[in-house]
Amino acid sequence: SQQGEEDPQALSIQEGENATMNCSYKTSINNLQWYRQNSGRGLVHLILIRSNEREKHSGRLRVTLDTSKKSSSLLITASRAADTASYFCATLLSGGYNKLIFGAGTRLAVHP
Amino acid sequence: GAVVSQHPSRVICKSGTSVKIECRSLDFQATTMFWYRQFPKQSLMLMATSNEGSKATYEQGVEKDKFLINHASLTLSTLTVTSAHPEDSSFYICSVLPSGTYNNEQFFGPGTRLTVL
Repeated sequence: SQQGEEDPQALSIQEGENATMNCSYKTSINNLQWYRQNSGRGLVHLILIRSNEREKHSGRLRVTLDTSKKSSSLLITASRAADTASYFCATLLSGGYNKLIFGAGTRLAVHP
Repeated sequence: GAVVSQHPSRVICKSGTSVKIECRSLDFQATTMFWYRQFPKQSLMLMATSNEGSKATYEQGVEKDKFLINHASLTLSTLTVTSAHPEDSSFYICSVLPSGTYNNEQFFGPGTRLTVL
């Protein structure tokens, strides 16, 4: 399968709560990236974490990477209604292929 | 980051016609661009890697004769859906890998929604 897996597939929370999304992948990676996509729109790059990094922060985003388990998590703290979107992880394969393999995505709904 | 445009943003065509979608890198040169397809409520599936000056590399299961890719310059790649059918209706997104980038960050276009009647 080209895709990794993400869970949950859908997440519904209230404003102010934290949202955690998980991503698992299958092969060795160069880096892992998280993207956001609003309905019917293009992708917005959120954060990139390299294979030798374990945790990274950017504003209200916190990403972890566990290469031994081939998994990553994205935490959005103090969520806002504007965070409502689909979130995808994407892995860049090692070996110089430059190909991004996308996970199935998590649809996040943040209710006011 | 790089600015990437796609044209058209939406296209509706009749079954059997061909549709060309352009992907332009506006502020970076790119020897490599990628084409993805996204069906409703699904993830992005890589279709092919477009290489400037050479043939595109297609992913398994993607028909190269149906999805023609031309990467004629360092800032433009085109995807032509030939003899389109309703099952080709999808959201097509390109991405650009700027030449000389060291962390392999791709920049995505806004997408083209194709509807085949």
